[in-house]
Amino acid sequence: RKEVEQDPGPFNVPEGATVAFNCTYSNSASQSFFWYRQDCRKEPKLLMSVYSSGNEDGRFTAQLNRASQYISLLIRDSKLSDSATYLCVVGFKTGGFKTIFGAGTRLFVKA
Amino acid sequence: GAVVSQHPSRVICKSGTSVKIECRSLDFQATTMFWYRQFPKQSLMLMATSNEGSKATYEQGVEKDKFLINHASLTLSTLTVTSAHPEDSSFYICSASSGGGDDTQYFGPGTRLTVL
Repeated sequence: RKEVEQDPGPFNVPEGATVAFNCTYSNSASQSFFWYRQDCRKEPKLLMSVYSSGNEDGRFTAQLNRASQYISLLIRDSKLSDSATYLCVVGFKTGGFKTIFGAGTRLFVKA
Repeated sequence: GAVVSQHPSRVICKSGTSVKIECRSLDFQATTMFWYRQFPKQSLMLMATSNEGSKATYEQGVEKDKFLINHASLTLSTLTVTSAHPEDSSFYICSASSGGGDDTQYFGPGTRLTVL
């Protein structure tokens, strides 16, 4: 089993749609959780951290379920500019600090 | 804030040469820097983690003698690909974290290496 698993997609949605991505992780000692977005041939950029209580940033809502070891990202009112690959990232301390990236979920938002 | 730069952005070299990539945190002190590699249509793969002033920790399968990492200061880490071969062609990305309870990583723009 991969340490961080995501549905690779692609998700093809029309503008204005609501889309949700899930991510599962295997290490129960994981402490930090993030969603990054990566555009084609560019570096990942932090979209948002994920907190146990859930958090929202504009059209984006992230949630964490520690018991089931999954993280979700909800995008409301999708825009064309939301088209990208969304990476689920999990961090944990093992001696030093280590982060594991999921393979990403591709999203295409179409007019 | 939290800007990370990488240089060069693109490099093309002949097989057998060594290539040095620099990663700098411009507006914060990076106690930890990470080096990743990403092949086309694949996920980011962590190569190594480096802490300022100490030896880098390499992931399994990454040759430390081939990928030399130096984290000489709190704002600079370098990755040297020694005796590069065509299979080393990839997108190399660094990230930096300030630590102190903030685990967020800020990524550099990446370096695209092509070995002929």
